[in-house]
Order: sequence, then structure tokens, then C-alpha cells
Amino acid sequence: EVQLVESGGGLVQPGGSLRLSCTASGFTFSSNWMSWVRQAPGKGLEWVANIKQDGSQKYYLASVKGRFTISRDNAKNSLYLQMNSLRAEDTAVYYCARVGDSYGQYFDYWGQGTLVTASS
Amino acid sequence: EIVLTQSPGTLSLSPGERATLSCRASQSVSSNFLAWYQQKPGQAPRLLIYGASNRATGIPDRFSGSGSGTDFTLTISRLEPEDFAVYYCQQYGTFGQGTKLEIK
Repeated sequence: EVQLVESGGGLVQPGGSLRLSCTASGFTFSSNWMSWVRQAPGKGLEWVANIKQDGSQKYYLASVKGRFTISRDNAKNSLYLQMNSLRAEDTAVYYCARVGDSYGQYFDYWGQGTLVTASS
Repeated sequence: EIVLTQSPGTLSLSPGERATLSCRASQSVSSNFLAWYQQKPGQAPRLLIYGASNRATGIPDRFSGSGSGTDFTLTISRLEPEDFAVYYCQQYGTFGQGTKLEIK
């Protein structure tokens, strides 16, 4: 059974940093692109970043580029999102998602999400 | 950048009825890249349809997807109580704003 478990969310002051983690199980982690998708309270879904199987390609939402860094450790079956210079508008539930198909880039499995709140 | 516009914003129907949800792209997209998700309150999204018309694993056959070019449709043939939720379409890094399917 595919499982994705996020951790690392919490309350942080604007301008602060946070590192999210996602631990995967039930599939060969190194075989799939992985992504982070977020959802602000009461709002829709917003793709944040994704990373290729070997980490050689990374793509970001324009508003987080230069502030967020996606990475992975295939030996640990883990995905990460380093978030720096956080803003109030980054407040959201952050989901780790597996990309089901490298060509189609859809998300076939999702974690339960971790809440990030950037507020003073 | 492609914009996906979903309609209607809210759809009020009764169990047993047929639901038709629309997703319109601002420019033509390949059918290979269009997916649909269902999200219930407090839960993560669930993949329903990928490649515009392929049901994901475990998805009941009352859910079907169709369309091409700029116009895509998610159809639920006979609504079950558990189908009332928010539905999103997606193409690469873009999601539609969602359609809320509520009980009439």
C-alpha cells in the first residue's frame, strides 16, 4: 500500500524558515517524480514544486522560486521542502504527492498534509 | 501560462441524479495531461481521472471523463451520497478553482 506521511509543519513568524519532510512507503520511491501541493485555508489547490526521480530537475511555482527548495533522499525514501523567507500568503496545508506518470504529470497518491502557518 | 476555468462553481443535485462538471482551458491542451480529483472536507485530494478519460485505480465506473482541446467534462452518472465533495481539474502545474457538488 502506497503511503506518504508529511511532517514538519507548524507556526512560524513571517520571514522565518521551516523544513517539511515526507516519508514514502509501499512503492519504489526512486522511480517517481514527486511534488508538493498546497491549499490555503478555504481555498483551492496550488502546485508548489516538483522534482525528478534522481533530483536532476526541479520546478517551482513562480511565487516561491528563490525562497523554497525541493529535494529528495532516495536512500531514505524521503522528500523535503525547505521554506525560507516565509510570508503570510504561504500559510496553507502542504501535501506531498506522488507523480503517477512522468509524461502526464498527474498526482496519484497524496499524503494527509501538514499545516504551515506564517503569522506573528 | 494555461488557465483552467471550472463551471459551475457550485452544483446542487440529489442522489441518483447525473452530474456534469466542466473544465475549460485558456488554450488547447493535450488530453494526456488532464486529470480530475475529488476532495472531501478535511481530507487530501483523490485522483479520479487521468489522461482526460482513464479512471484511476479503484474508482467506480459511474465516474467518467471526456473532452479534448480546451473543453473537458467529468460526469458522474448516478450520484451516491459519498460523491458530494469538491472536484478539481488539473493540467501540469495548474489546477482549476474547483466545483463544489452539494446535496440539493
